[in-house]
Amino acid sequence: QKEVEQDPGPLSVPEGAIVSLNCTYSNSAFQYFMWYRQYSRKGPELLMYTYSSGNKEDGRFTAQVDKSSKYISLFIRDSQPSDSATYLCAMITLTGANSKLTFGKGITLSVRP
Amino acid sequence: DTAVSQTPKYLVTQMGNDKSIKCEQNLGHDTMYWYKQDSKKFLKIMFSYNNKELIINETVPNRFSPKSPDKAHLNLHINSLELGDSAVYFCASSQMTGTGGYTFGSGTRLTVV
Repeated sequence: QKEVEQDPGPLSVPEGAIVSLNCTYSNSAFQYFMWYRQYSRKGPELLMYTYSSGNKEDGRFTAQVDKSSKYISLFIRDSQPSDSATYLCAMITLTGANSKLTFGKGITLSVRP
Repeated sequence: DTAVSQTPKYLVTQMGNDKSIKCEQNLGHDTMYWYKQDSKKFLKIMFSYNNKELIINETVPNRFSPKSPDKAHLNLHINSLELGDSAVYFCASSQMTGTGGYTFGSGTRLTVV
């Protein structure tokens, strides 16, 4: 079992839909939780990060973490064609002051106009 | 101003050759990383360096040797290239703990023929 499992894709939704992207993890040592967005032929860019259970909102994006269930989600409201990209959940373990960022496999989202 | 820059962007080479990829960051970060993204888009950490010191080495073949001349640069040298080395290699950087996320370069697409 991989440390981070992400719902398989691809996912195609109409413009304006609410999108829910999910990941589960098995390593209790993960302390920080992130979502990255990767456009085709580009590097991943940080979308949101959090370290506590609960919700964190940023514009149309909401990140949700449930540490007791080892489950994180990203919700995208009023999805736009420009949201079409691969979304990767990622989690950090800390060893002293050094970190390691572990990614899920990513899900490709397509938002149809 | 590019935060994390990698060169070259594309690299096509024959099996058995030796090649290098260079990475530079101008963010003042302490730690730099190399990630490999395979054909299924799975991103996996290879190495991390903190202030020129190797911190993480994730069971990468000895043919891969990172070198950090200073904390703003992390290069990757690959000896005796194999077909399976074909992938996109991403450089990233972060402040030491990385809990605010990693900043990625735009990647080097390596094709071994």
